[in-house]
Amino acid sequence: HLQQWGAGLLKPSETLSLSCAVSGGSLSGYHWSWIRQPPGKGLEWIGEISHSGSPHYNASLKSRVTMSLDTSKNQISLELTAINAADTAVYYCARDSGKIDLWGQGSLVRVSS
Amino acid sequence: SSELTQDPAVSVALGQGANITCQGDTIRHYHPNWYQLKPGQAPILVIFGKNNRPSGIPDRFSASRSGDTATLIITAAQAEDEAFYHCNSRDNDVYYWVFGGGTKLTV
Repeated sequence: HLQQWGAGLLKPSETLSLSCAVSGGSLSGYHWSWIRQPPGKGLEWIGEISHSGSPHYNASLKSRVTMSLDTSKNQISLELTAINAADTAVYYCARDSGKIDLWGQGSLVRVSS
Repeated sequence: SSELTQDPAVSVALGQGANITCQGDTIRHYHPNWYQLKPGQAPILVIFGKNNRPSGIPDRFSASRSGDTATLIITAAQAEDEAFYHCNSRDNDVYYWVFGGGTKLTV
């Protein structure tokens, strides 16, 4: 089970911060992805972080994204800086076991001045 | 980078079969995974790899592939199958996941 939380309404230029807790398991042995879906659009992979903390980011967002993990809390986190209206989306954390096989419930983040 | 193309919408009568396609060059190299999305719910993996169903997914869901096109097949569609379906696969050139734009299935 993946439980997400974070601020849902942000202003342009602010930093988006989301966290995701893994319950009933650990971070070990998996990669952990963040994926988003803007309103009316398809899913977009933001990036992933391995259980050892090695990240891979979508090139289109790489300059603004930071992913991290806290193994002691079984949590992963996403930061996206300098946000704008195009970053309005439902954000999901997800487990990657070679396939993305478990998703969080999603967090709607709206960017509005 | 790779792209995956899906038809925006498919309609099927209750109890009839539905095919949802996913087209892209990466499909030639990787069998895609398929996800079911319903509003307000966590997406669910319904098919992974060549034609594998996770535990709990009904056997009316299956998949096939021909060339650069993969198909999610739903035999005898049920009302609860009404949802968006997205395919996903690894990109050919760089290490990341790509998704199709999604298909809205109306039952």
